[in-house]
Amino acid sequence: QVQLVQSGAEVKKPGSSVKVSCKASGGTFSSYAISWVRQAPGQGLEWMGRIIPILGIANYAQKFQGRVTITADKSTSTAYMELSSLRSEDTAVYYCARDGDGGVRGVIFDYWGQGTLVTVSS
Amino acid sequence: DIQMTQSPSTLSASVGDRVTITCRASQSISSWLAWYQQKPGKAPKLLIYKASSLESGVPSRFSGSGSGTEFTLTISSLQPDDFATYYCQQSRTFGQGTKVEIK
Repeated sequence: QVQLVQSGAEVKKPGSSVKVSCKASGGTFSSYAISWVRQAPGQGLEWMGRIIPILGIANYAQKFQGRVTITADKSTSTAYMELSSLRSEDTAVYYCARDGDGGVRGVIFDYWGQGTLVTVSS
Repeated sequence: DIQMTQSPSTLSASVGDRVTITCRASQSISSWLAWYQQKPGKAPKLLIYKASSLESGVPSRFSGSGSGTEFTLTISSLQPDDFATYYCQQSRTFGQGTKVEIK
């Protein structure tokens, strides 16, 4: 059974950066993409970007281009999402999810991490 | 970019009710649509993929239909555990969500 375990909650100052980790177990890490999805308080789901660990290639939603960096360490089956130039509007729960990446089931997110609350406050 | 629009935003229903949620795409997406359930403080859970395929372990009271631009998620007989927010998703775009609350 695939399990994604994320790092703990963070409190950050405006203008700083945050790096959230997502450790995978129970599956073949490199075979799938890992996406990052965020959810602001009381709001919907917003896709930020993804990485294909076996290729080390990441792509990002236009909204976050230049501010987000997604990386993966195949040796530890861990993906990372770093968001810079934080502002109050970035306060949200950040989720990693296994990304079906357009296979026979289409683009789906079938396994999710537990979420990491990032609070941006002065 | 393709936009996904769900309706209604909120739905009040009782246990045992048949519930239908609609999702419309701004252009044809064939059957490439998924549905998720999310409870407060929890990650979303995949229910349906390719518009009508039930994810393993999901109760059969959940069903999905549609193709092209219009899709529905139906809960045949609402159970207490089903009060949650539901999202449709196409590629990496989500609908805005439908909250199913107790009437």
